[in-house]
Amino acid sequence: EVQLLESGGGLVKPGGSLRLSCAASGFIFGTSNMIWVRQAPGKGLEWVASISRGSDYVHYADSVRGRFTISRDNSYMSLSLYMTYLRAEDTALYYCARDLVPDYWGQGALVTVSS
Amino acid sequence: DIQMTQSPSAMSASVGDRVTITCRASQGISNFLAWFQQKPGTVPQRLIYGASNLDNGVPSRFSGSGSGTDFTLTISSLQPEDFATYYCLQHHTFPYTFGQGTKLEIK
Repeated sequence: EVQLLESGGGLVKPGGSLRLSCAASGFIFGTSNMIWVRQAPGKGLEWVASISRGSDYVHYADSVRGRFTISRDNSYMSLSLYMTYLRAEDTALYYCARDLVPDYWGQGALVTVSS
Repeated sequence: DIQMTQSPSAMSASVGDRVTITCRASQGISNFLAWFQQKPGTVPQRLIYGASNLDNGVPSRFSGSGSGTDFTLTISSLQPEDFATYYCLQHHTFPYTFGQGTKLEIK
């Protein structure tokens, strides 16, 4: 069974940093592209970032480019999102998902940016 | 970036109705479009990929069509469990982009 489990969410002040992690199981992680999608409270889905199987290709939404970094460790079947210079508008539930057109999603990690 | 515009943003319908949701891309995306369903408090579920390919386990009352800039998601006969919010996603050009969502409510 495919499972994706996010961790690392929490409350952070504007300008601060936070690292999200996603632990994968139930599939061959190293053969799957992975993405992060976020959803602000009561709002729609926003594609955030993607990373290819071997980390060769990474892409970011304009809203986070230069502030967020996506990475992965295939040995540990883990996906990460390092977020810096956080803003109030980054407040959202962050989902880790498998594949560029995601077929499996985690339950999400809540990030709240507030002073 | 490619902008995805869904219409309507919200709608109400009755069980048994035929419903169509549209998604328009700001530039051509061939058939690189997917549809997702999200019920309150739950994780999004992929319904359709490649504009018209139904995911395993998705009821056949769901169908997708379109190519280029205009796409539709059709539910042939609404069931109670179909009341949810639907999103399109273009996966033609990075950064990928979602539509703003269509909330389907019970009339």
